[in-house]
Amino acid sequence: EVQLLESGGTLVQPGGSLRLSCAASGFAFSNYAMTWVRQAPGKGLECLSMVGVNGAATPYVDSVKGRFTISRDNSKSALYLQMNSLRVEDTAIYYCAKGTMVSGRHFFDYWGPGTLVTVSS
Amino acid sequence: DIQMAQSPATLSASEGDRVTITCRASQSISSWLAWYQQKPGKAPKLLIYKASSLESGVPSRFSGSGSGTEFTLTISSLQPDDFATYYCQQYNSYPYTFGQGTKLEI
Repeated sequence: EVQLLESGGTLVQPGGSLRLSCAASGFAFSNYAMTWVRQAPGKGLECLSMVGVNGAATPYVDSVKGRFTISRDNSKSALYLQMNSLRVEDTAIYYCAKGTMVSGRHFFDYWGPGTLVTVSS
Repeated sequence: DIQMAQSPATLSASEGDRVTITCRASQSISSWLAWYQQKPGKAPKLLIYKASSLESGVPSRFSGSGSGTEFTLTISSLQPDDFATYYCQQYNSYPYTFGQGTKLEI
């Protein structure tokens, strides 16, 4: 059974940093792209970036470009999101999701339950 | 970035109804579109990928169609478990983007 479990969400002050983790199990982690998607309270979904099997990241959404970095450790079946220079508007539930490739494109077939990041003074 | 526009934002319906949600892309995305269902306090769940392919385990009352810039999600006969928010997502080009969501309510 595929399982994804995010951790690391907490209350942080504006300007601070945080690293989120996503522990994966139940599938061959190293063979799949992974992504981080966030959802601000009462709002829609925003895909931040995706990391391929070789660790290369896709372009980041403008709202986090230059501040967030996605990475993975295949030896630990783990996905990470390093978040720097956090802003109040980064407050959201952060989901990790597994990418499945069909015809060279990826959609997201399994999601973790999410971890809440609150940026506030 | 490709913009995704869903309509309606809210849809009121009853059990047994047939409902359709529309998603329009700001430029052609071929068939690289997915639909997700999200219930309050839960993660999104994949329903449809490649515009019309039903994810394993998803009831056959869900169906998707379209290509290019216009897509639809149809639920043929609403069940109580279907009242939720639905999102479309394009995965044609980065960054992948979602529609703003359609809340399906009684």
